Amino acid sequence: EVQLVESGGGLVQPGGSLRLSCAASGFTFSTYWMSWVRQAPGKELEWVANMKKDGSEKYYVDSVKGRFTISRDNAKNSLYLQMNSLRAEDTAVYYCARDYGPKLGIDYWGQGTLVTVSS
Amino acid sequence: QSVLTQPPSASGTPGQRVTISCSGSSSNIGSNYVYWYQHLPGTAPKLLIYSNNQRPSGVPDRFSGSKSGTSASLAISGLRSEDEADYYCAAWDDSLSGRVFGGGTKLTVL
Repeated sequence: EVQLVESGGGLVQPGGSLRLSCAASGFTFSTYWMSWVRQAPGKELEWVANMKKDGSEKYYVDSVKGRFTISRDNAKNSLYLQMNSLRAEDTAVYYCARDYGPKLGIDYWGQGTLVTVSS
Repeated sequence: QSVLTQPPSASGTPGQRVTISCSGSSSNIGSNYVYWYQHLPGTAPKLLIYSNNQRPSGVPDRFSGSKSGTSASLAISGLRSEDEADYYCAAWDDSLSGRVFGGGTKLTVL
């Protein structure tokens, strides 16, 4: 059974940093692209970033470029999202998701972790 | 405003058939596969349709997807109360080099 478990969310002040983690199990993590997707309160789903299985390709939504960094450790079956210079508009539930890469889509999602940016 | 356009709401009575549309452009739906998700607040989104019209195992055949040009649609037949949820379409966008989602459609079963 595919399982994705996010952690690391919490309350952070504007301008602060936070690192999200996603622990994957039930599939061969190193053979899949992985994504982060977020949902702000009362808003639609918004794709944030994804990363190729070997880390050689990464894509980001424009609003987080230069502030967020996606990374992975295939030996630990883990995906990360380093979030710097956080803004109020980054407040959202962040989902880790298994991805098939550009041209294709996402199949499995985690339960999400809440990030709140507020003073 | 979302790159993919969905109606904000849809409704139907039990047993009815409802359709949710998703409109895009040549850089997303027109040139890439469309995916559909069902989302209940506070839970993990669930994949309903992949590659325009394919159902993952475990998804009832009441759910079906189609695509024509730069638009796609999700049809739900034999509507049930447990179908009440938010539905999202998604596709890769070649111009943005990123994945885009529709604004979501809240389905109400009357």
